[in-house]
Amino acid sequence: EVQLVESGGGLVKPGGSLRLSCAASGFTFSSYTMNWVRQAPGKGLEWVSSITSTSSYIYYADSVKGRFTISRDYVKNSLYLQMNNLRAEDTAVYYCAREDIIIIPGADFYYVMDVWGQGTTVTVSS
Amino acid sequence: EIVLTQSPGTLSLSPGERATLSCRASQSLSSSYLAWYQQKPGQAPRLLIYGASSRATGIPDRFSGSGSGTDFTLTISRLEPEDFAVYYCQRYGSSRWTFGQGTKVEIK
Repeated sequence: EVQLVESGGGLVKPGGSLRLSCAASGFTFSSYTMNWVRQAPGKGLEWVSSITSTSSYIYYADSVKGRFTISRDYVKNSLYLQMNNLRAEDTAVYYCAREDIIIIPGADFYYVMDVWGQGTTVTVSS
Repeated sequence: EIVLTQSPGTLSLSPGERATLSCRASQSLSSSYLAWYQQKPGQAPRLLIYGASSRATGIPDRFSGSGSGTDFTLTISRLEPEDFAVYYCQRYGSSRWTFGQGTKVEIK
C-alpha cells in the first residue's frame, strides 16, 4: 500500500525549532519529487516546500524561505522539514505529499499531488 | 505570481442537486497544470481532477472539470452525501504550487 506517515509535530514557543518527518512506503521513494503543504486552522492549503527526486533542486514558499529546510533520506525513505525561528503564523497541520507526473502519450503531461499523508499538527504559542 | 480565486466561498445545496464551482486565475495558465482536490473534515486532500478535465483514478464520473485560460469549473452532476466537503483548485508553475482559497459545499 502506498503510504505517507508524518510525525514530529507538537507545541513550540515562538522562535523555537521543530523537525517534521514523513515516512514513505509502498513506492520507490527515490523516484518522486516530494512536497510539504500546510493548512492553518480553519484556512486553506498552502504549499511550503518541495525537493526533487535526487535532491538536486529545492524550492520554498516566500513565507518560509530562510527559516525552513527540506531534506530527504533515501535509506530511511523519509522526507524531513526542519523548521527554525517559528512564528505564530506557522501554526498549521503539515502534510507531506508525493508529486507525480501523469504522462499521456501523444498528448501532454500533468503535475499532481497524488498521495498525501494524514498530517501532523504544529502549534506555535507561548 | 498567478493567484487563484474560487467562488462561491460556500455553496448550500441538497443531495441530488448539481454543484458548479469556479476557479479564476489572475493570468492565463495552461490547463495542463490545473487540478482540483476534495478535502473532508479531518482528512487530507484527495486528487479529483488533473489537466483541468481528466478524472483521477477511482473518481466517479459525476465529477467533471472544464475550462481554459483563466476560467475553470468543477461540476458535480448530482451531489451524493459523501460529496459535501471543501474543494480546492491548484496550479503548478515555475516549480511552485498555488491553491485557491477553497469552496465549501454544504448540505442545505
